[in-house]
Amino acid sequence: EDQVTQSPEALRLQEGESSSLNCSYTVSGLRGLFWYRQDPGKGPEFLFTLYSAGEEKEKERLKATLTKKESFLHITAPKPEDSATYLCAVRGAGGGNKLTFGTGTQLKVEL
Amino acid sequence: DAGVIQSPRHEVTEMGQEVTLRCKPISGHDYLFWYRQTMMRGLELLIYFNNNVPIDDSGMPEDRFSAKMPNASFSTLKIQPSEPRDSAVYFCASRREGDQPQHFGDGTRLSIL
Repeated sequence: EDQVTQSPEALRLQEGESSSLNCSYTVSGLRGLFWYRQDPGKGPEFLFTLYSAGEEKEKERLKATLTKKESFLHITAPKPEDSATYLCAVRGAGGGNKLTFGTGTQLKVEL
Repeated sequence: DAGVIQSPRHEVTEMGQEVTLRCKPISGHDYLFWYRQTMMRGLELLIYFNNNVPIDDSGMPEDRFSAKMPNASFSTLKIQPSEPRDSAVYFCASRREGDQPQHFGDGTRLSIL
């Protein structure tokens, strides 16, 4: 069974204070690791897909990286508008089209 | 393009009542997914469809839950009878064929009293 563990559960940063969120996973045959952002009262919003170890994707202040056991979401010089819950999910070869989600990291960026 | 549209956004009803949640996927998307999100368990897949056909309903908690997709632009998730433990946010998502990401609606917040 595919498993995803995210840490920390919550993170508070000052504006401009860079940090990283962790997503550890176990899956039989990774077919994709997905990062989503979720704002209160909204559905998850797609950010990135990573497929193989060593792959990196960037979007504005966010950069996602992937190894064989974990993924990191690096946030560089965050702003208050980056405050949200960040979700990680995996799609494994044995799960068909199913995504298994972690419980997320709740990020708050303060002025 | 319009995103995934869910209705209603909020539903409050009494235990034992029938609840119907609705979803309109993004046009051209071949897959439709129903999820439930709670603080304790996070996002859990309930059922998904491919080309309107249910493929995997192993996440549907009980026979009280049922889902249909009568055509490519509409799906329903029904709970009958509803119970307080069904209270959660229910999301619908859709995606294209291939290794494409899922796109989510803004959910229905369901409260069963």
